[in-house]
Amino acid sequence: GAVVSQHPSWVICKSGTSVKIECRSLDFQATTMFWYRQFPKQSLMLMATSNEGSKATYEQGVEKDKFLINHASLTLSTLTVTSAHPEDSSFYICSARAGGTGGLGAKNIQYFGAGTRLSVL
Amino acid sequence: AQKITQTQPGMFVQEKEAVTLDCTYDTSDPSYGLFWYKQPSSGEMIFLIYQGSYDQQNATEGRYSLNFQKARKSANLVISASQLGDSAMYFCAMRPDTGRRALTFGSGTRLQVQP
Repeated sequence: GAVVSQHPSWVICKSGTSVKIECRSLDFQATTMFWYRQFPKQSLMLMATSNEGSKATYEQGVEKDKFLINHASLTLSTLTVTSAHPEDSSFYICSARAGGTGGLGAKNIQYFGAGTRLSVL
Repeated sequence: AQKITQTQPGMFVQEKEAVTLDCTYDTSDPSYGLFWYKQPSSGEMIFLIYQGSYDQQNATEGRYSLNFQKARKSANLVISASQLGDSAMYFCAMRPDTGRRALTFGSGTRLQVQP
């Protein structure tokens, strides 16, 4: 159990275009999903926290108009990088946390997708 | 705020030997969870082990064990009988049991298992 699917795994786009990344929890309901960004040889930096049916909470310094997050259902969250520029090139990875206090939710473990490598030309 | 410190940027270990990856943390939260994740070169983050701050016993998951010393605020990962497939980046992380419960990650340790 606890599988998180992230799509696409890599994308190359032209500067100025928008890119949408999907994150799905396949075998559990995720009340909360998280989006991280990772630069080469660095750790994961939290970008935003996404709760189903409500607006995302962005970390300081993350532009909410540039990184649009939607969490429309208990199994799907999307991150859209709008008007992408070369400096947005990075590895983006999502995680999902199971809801409730039993089963997978008991330990509040975050399960991660495989990540998306974005290259903006 | 939480802070995770991993002081070993890189480690080498011989195949079949045990290795300890260090992790210290700082938090003002009374209740929290500690985690270790493995990130191979493919990029995915693989959950390894969890330790709750009020758990009396150290967590174990197969060849992984977490040496939790609460007074010292340390949560070292011990990998027994290292395998070549263990070569990867390892991240220590923590999250409070209240609020958004987001993970804070350390800088990671790159482990290389040598044959």
